[in-house]
Amino acid sequence: AQSVTQPDIHITVSEGASLELRCNYSYGATPYLFWYVQSPGQGLQLLLKYFSGDTLVQGIKGFEAEFKRSQSSFNLRKPSVHWSDAAEYFCAVGARAAGNKLTFGGGTRVLVKP
Amino acid sequence: NAGVTQTPKFQVLKTGQSMTLQCAQDMNHNSMYWYRQDPGMGLRLIYYSASEGTTDKGEVPNGYNVSRLNKREFSLRLESAAPSQTSVYFCASREDSPGQPQHFGDGTRLSIL
Repeated sequence: AQSVTQPDIHITVSEGASLELRCNYSYGATPYLFWYVQSPGQGLQLLLKYFSGDTLVQGIKGFEAEFKRSQSSFNLRKPSVHWSDAAEYFCAVGARAAGNKLTFGGGTRVLVKP
Repeated sequence: NAGVTQTPKFQVLKTGQSMTLQCAQDMNHNSMYWYRQDPGMGLRLIYYSASEGTTDKGEVPNGYNVSRLNKREFSLRLESAAPSQTSVYFCASREDSPGQPQHFGDGTRLSIL
């Protein structure tokens, strides 16, 4: 069975500082990996995805993530955070062998200090 | 650019009442999903439908039923609502190609008193 762990429930970061959100997954084969962002009262918006190929993937809003198979990780990064990045972030794993269903982590809430 | 549309956006029910949450997508996707979101637990899959006419249970199906009315619409029904079903419900759809992401609606916030 698939599982996803986001170890940090809350992260507070100053505007302009860098941000890294951790995601660890458990799955036997190579999964599809996704990061979504959710602003208050909104649905989930896709930031980026990893399916195959280059392990460093670029997404929208200046985010990037790196797939590390040896560490079963897919951490999300942004070099310089803007106040509008305050939101909740979800890592998700899917796989064709699992019927393409997604398993989500518990989420990390990011607060941005001025 | 509607994408995935959910109705209603908010609802308050009394214990024991029934309700149907509606979801429609205009992206011609075969696969559709219903999730519930609870604090600290991420999203958990209730039911999904890989194509018109088929539905399957997800991680937390108890207390829910679904109908895939046609390719566009996938509804979620609570036959006898319980306070434990207070949650935010999200519908999603995806294209069938490998690695494609799911696209989400804005959610239905449901409170059961």
